[in-house]
Order: sequence, then C-alpha cells, then structure tokens
Amino acid sequence: NAGVTQTPKFQVLKTGQSMTLQCAQDMNHNSMYWYRQDPGMGLRLIYYSASEGTTDKGEVPNGYNVSRLNKREFSLRLESAAPSQTSVYFCASSDLAGGEYEQYFGPGTRLTVT
Amino acid sequence: QKEVEQNSGPLSVPEGAIASLNCTYSDRGSQSFFWYRQYSGKSPELIMFIYSNGDKEDGRFTAQLNKASQYVSLLIRDSQPSDSATYLCAVRVYGQNFVFGPGTRLSVLP
Repeated sequence: NAGVTQTPKFQVLKTGQSMTLQCAQDMNHNSMYWYRQDPGMGLRLIYYSASEGTTDKGEVPNGYNVSRLNKREFSLRLESAAPSQTSVYFCASSDLAGGEYEQYFGPGTRLTVT
Repeated sequence: QKEVEQNSGPLSVPEGAIASLNCTYSDRGSQSFFWYRQYSGKSPELIMFIYSNGDKEDGRFTAQLNKASQYVSLLIRDSQPSDSATYLCAVRVYGQNFVFGPGTRLSVLP
C-alpha cells in the first residue's frame, strides 16, 4: 500500500517549457488535490477534484491545468512554465472519515524554473 | 481573501514541557480546522481535526476551538525532541476548499 505517489521528485525547466506532474493514490479515495508550497506562505490549493470527472479551481489556478484521468490518478500540467512557478508541489487525496476530509499527502515534486 | 495566520516562530520549549501553538482565521463561515505536522523536506501529516467549539484530545495532543474568537490552538503535552517540526494550521472554508497557514516552527530542546 504505497499511499500517494508523485513523479518526478525533482525537475528543472526553462521558462516557456511545459511539463506534467503525475499523482496516483491507491487508497480508493474520491477526492484529490494539488497544492504548491513556497517559503513562508504555507500550502496553497491550486485545483482539486471531488470525484472522478470533476475538477474545481482553488486559490491559485492561473497557469495550471489538471486532469482527473480516473479515480486513482490526478495530473497537473504547466503549459508554459514561468519562474514564479518555482515551488514544491504536493498532491493529496482524501475521503470522508469521522465526518471530515482527512488529507494524505504525497512526497512532493521540487520544481525549479530558470 | 480568506486568511489563516500563525506565528512563524521558532517556538522553543524544553523537553517534557507543554507546547502551545496558535492559529487565527478570517472567514467566520469556516467549517472545520486541522493541524498537520511537517518535518523538514517531508510532506505534511495530519495530527487531528476539530469542528465543534471546545477541546478535543488525542494522546498527547489537544486541539481547542473558539469560533467566536476565530481561534484554534494545538497543545502538545510532554513535548519530545521528535516533536520538533513545523506545525501547519488548515481551515476548510467551504466544500473541499482548504486554506493553510504559513506554519509555526517548533523546537523541543533536550
């Protein structure tokens, strides 16, 4: 039982390049999330998917697109990377447990855009 | 703008003491409140959540919520050096929209 996995772990991009961050979970959770974490700013929600086939914007969606490929997988795409997108990206999944959404996080992807 | 504020610290406490971590939030309609622990270079791990006013205990951890004051806290009893980490307060503001605070760095001194 791997929990939430993310690939790649590290990535360096040049400005204007595109890439897709992959996330998968094996806990049969309905909900999945993408966050970014910058120093001193905590985690900020980019997009989330409450169920297969649905996606919703979070606090900072500009410059990103997402795809909920199936119940297990939720990908994040940067179409034209900018230095402001240098960050650590975390994927999470959750389901209702004890009346609340307990989120489980993947190990993160450290992205640098030069 | 929905905001969650935390003192960035570092908060230093001696081993065996009680560590008290605080968080305030701006949206009165916020539904529930979470505490996560994050070790340096690692991903956040859920400690506990609370959604009713009052105290909720789980082992050495107690979460306290005061909705009138828009304040939530986490007490860690018998603090251990292994508790040294950054503690993130998160608020579910509506639906599945979560807002995180910047975190408080805790250092437990042996």
